[in-house]
Amino acid sequence: EVELVESGGGLVNPGGSLRLSCASSGFIFSDYTMTWVRQAPGKGLEWVSSISSSSTNIYYTDSVKGRFTISRDNAKNSLYLQMNSLSAEDTAVYYCARYRFSAVSNYFDYWGQGTLVTVSS
Amino acid sequence: SSELSQDPAVSVALGQTVRITCQGDSLRTYYASWYQKKTGQAPVLVMYGKKNRPLGISDRFSGSTSGNTASLTITGAQAEDEADYYCHSRDSSGNHVVFGGGTKVTVL
Repeated sequence: EVELVESGGGLVNPGGSLRLSCASSGFIFSDYTMTWVRQAPGKGLEWVSSISSSSTNIYYTDSVKGRFTISRDNAKNSLYLQMNSLSAEDTAVYYCARYRFSAVSNYFDYWGQGTLVTVSS
Repeated sequence: SSELSQDPAVSVALGQTVRITCQGDSLRTYYASWYQKKTGQAPVLVMYGKKNRPLGISDRFSGSTSGNTASLTITGAQAEDEADYYCHSRDSSGNHVVFGGGTKVTVL
């Protein structure tokens, strides 16, 4: 059974840093592109960042570029998101998700339960 | 602003049919996928590709695409279908992911 478990969320001061982790099991982690998606309170889903299976291709949404760093450790079946210079606008539940794609199709087939990041003084 | 547009809310009577639409230029190239999101729960994939439904998803859910519009139809809506529904695809560059703003479905 595929399982994704996020951790590392919490309360952080504006300007602070936080590192999220996503532990995976039940599938060959190194075969898949992985993604972080967030949902701010009362808002919709927002894609944050994606990383290809071998970390060759990395993408970020514009609002986090230069502040967030996505990474993965295939030996540990884990995905990470290093978040720096956090602001209130980064307050959200962060989900990791497995990404599937082809030439004309793309979707997230498995999601973790999410970890809450709250940026507040 | 999102490159995928959804109506903010729709309502449907119990047992009736509702169609949720998602519009965007990228949908002329890429299929949309659809997610059900309930408060406090992780999103659940309910439709992807041309007309693919993941294992375990009710056949009440069906999908279609025409031009720049993707649709998710719930036939015979049940109380448990009340949720927010998000479409998703790639943006016009093909490298980034984009979600629609979401449609809140209320089952009356």
